[in-house]
Amino acid sequence: DAEITQSPRHKITETGRQVTLACHQTWNHNNMFWYRQDLGHGLRLIHYSYGVQDTNKGEVSDGYSVSRSNTEDLPLTLESAASSQTSVYFCASSADGNTEAFFGQGTRLTVV
Amino acid sequence: GEDVEQSLFLSVREGDSSVINCTYTDSSSTYLYWYKQEPGAGLQLLTYIFSNMDMKQDQRLTVLLNKKDKHLSLRIADTQTGDSAIYFCAESKGNTGKLIFGQGTTLQVKP
Repeated sequence: DAEITQSPRHKITETGRQVTLACHQTWNHNNMFWYRQDLGHGLRLIHYSYGVQDTNKGEVSDGYSVSRSNTEDLPLTLESAASSQTSVYFCASSADGNTEAFFGQGTRLTVV
Repeated sequence: GEDVEQSLFLSVREGDSSVINCTYTDSSSTYLYWYKQEPGAGLQLLTYIFSNMDMKQDQRLTVLLNKKDKHLSLRIADTQTGDSAIYFCAESKGNTGKLIFGQGTTLQVKP
């Protein structure tokens, strides 16, 4: 079955370190998204991509970057981790702008 | 402020109906969604409604959309303990695929 997987599921890192969270989908979806979930804010969009070599900033993109070198993967990089980036991160994909978005299981990141 | 607003908590007894409310601000939204999140899990799409519809029913779920007031509600009939979860309302931004989420409503179902 097609799926979307995130790794790792849990990570603890130190302030200032570079961290990369992986997202891999096997639906061959064009659209991929990264959200962060924080108490009281729901999910907020960090970055998104509509296809290979396409990346766009979302609502809360400062301190994050993404790259899309193939259809299946959209890794999220925290250039220099900060305590404010402690959160649960969700990756999602969809075939196009009007179809269901499928979400990964999430990555819980703690920055100490 | 947030584009999408939800109340944070709802408690009901098993067998009762639950109604979760949501208000949104973008009148150009094409689709409005309800997602369910169980503890430690990702988001599962429950149902959605196209912006030119008033109501959609899917088994125990009924979605009502009042476009004039930009108000969306999710009714769960015969609520079960397995319905305990966080429910998110989300609006789509045109045809972009980008979703704007509410803060989530925690539904507690008491036996």
